[in-house]
Amino acid sequence: SQTIHQWPATLVQPVGSPLSLECTVEGTSNPNLYWYRQAAGRGLQLLFYSVGIGQISSEVPQNLSASRPQDRQFILSSKKLLLSDSGFYLCAWSTYYSGSKTRVAKNIQYFGAGTRLSVL
Amino acid sequence: SQKIEQNSEALNIQEGKTATLTCNYTNYSPAYLQWYRQDPGRGPVFLLLIRENEKEKRKERLKVTFDTTLKQSLFHITASQPADSATYLCALIRSSNTGKLIFGQGTTLQVKP
Repeated sequence: SQTIHQWPATLVQPVGSPLSLECTVEGTSNPNLYWYRQAAGRGLQLLFYSVGIGQISSEVPQNLSASRPQDRQFILSSKKLLLSDSGFYLCAWSTYYSGSKTRVAKNIQYFGAGTRLSVL
Repeated sequence: SQKIEQNSEALNIQEGKTATLTCNYTNYSPAYLQWYRQDPGRGPVFLLLIRENEKEKRKERLKVTFDTTLKQSLFHITASQPADSATYLCALIRSSNTGKLIFGQGTTLQVKP
């Protein structure tokens, strides 16, 4: 079965410090990968997505970057954190599902446990 | 631009009653719609998917309807329990190639014993 690992669970970092959050997926090949940020009481904001190794698309301009060095590894980084980078970060994966009779793109997303980042 | 709206106010109901959550969307004609549950401090968990040609989908105590004319989905939990207390998110697919979803902001349900 497929599993997604995301770490660390909690992180407190000073302003101006670097950031590296890692996400790995097991049990599937060539997944689509996503990084989201969720502010308190708000919805999910898509930050980056990747459809393959080395292929990264950014959704919003920001202080963060993403990389996909391996098929099932997705990394979120920053060189210098800002106060506004605080939030709950979620990694997710999905795959294109082919039905037995019809090709149906279900694209259900499976999320990691999240990282609570506090920038002080 | 594409937009999804869920009632931002928390829904408080008594145990045993039916909870109904609403998801409205504009400027969009999705092929299907998804519902997720999110507990505090956790990642969302997929619950149900309904296609545009399906009027209704059921899974145990959950029922989802999809009205493409009204551009609305309703999510029902029958015989609600305190364990159903969580935030419920609806999502529409933005791109079948990339699997990108647009999420609503979620509605928090509180079931009181």
